[in-house]
Amino acid sequence: DGGITQSPKYLFRKEGQNVTLSCEQNLNHDAMYWYRQDPGQGLRLIYYSQIVNDFQKGDIAEGYSVSREKKESFPLTVTSAQKNPTAFYLCATTGQDRPTEAFFGQGTRLTVV
Amino acid sequence: KQEVTQIPAALSVPEGENLVLNCSFTDSAIYNLQWFRQDPGKGLTSLLLIQSSQREQTSGRLNASLDKSSGRSTLYIAASQPGDSATYLCALSGSARQLTFGSGTQLTVLP
Repeated sequence: DGGITQSPKYLFRKEGQNVTLSCEQNLNHDAMYWYRQDPGQGLRLIYYSQIVNDFQKGDIAEGYSVSREKKESFPLTVTSAQKNPTAFYLCATTGQDRPTEAFFGQGTRLTVV
Repeated sequence: KQEVTQIPAALSVPEGENLVLNCSFTDSAIYNLQWFRQDPGKGLTSLLLIQSSQREQTSGRLNASLDKSSGRSTLYIAASQPGDSATYLCALSGSARQLTFGSGTQLTVLP
């Protein structure tokens, strides 16, 4: 079954705790992205990676970190420096053949408790 | 910086009605425009992609148009059904491939 898998679907974070959101893809796409969605708002770009071992900050990177050690995986860590992390997080990919058609995972809802 | 606006923010229509969702953008230097559907608590499903050299794309009851000179795109939904109820998002990609999103139109189709 091809696609983008995000896990977990729901995640709860305590104050001062770091948490990591997983994003795995088997589409063989080279570029991967993390977006944040707040209620009633569009998506905002956190980080993106166009090749393995390279990534760039998006519009709201503060308090987040990423790695891209494998083409298939692009995990996002929400650090304790992110003061308002409660949101819906979406991972996306784009491929070489159709470079700008984006495909999305099902999302992870993060809640601070 | 690209800014994307979607109007209206919410729309409620009776079943069977034809409707138009609007998307406007400030920078015409785009690679393509993509329309997505989002159901509550779910990810985004791609509906239509219009490349910058194209004027429109059609898929079933959906038709999307692109006018770069005026900075506008429309998504036309024919013969709306209750199953079309969702939030519709437009997004534009530039040279760096990442998308800039509008805030969406929440559509409710009443049976």
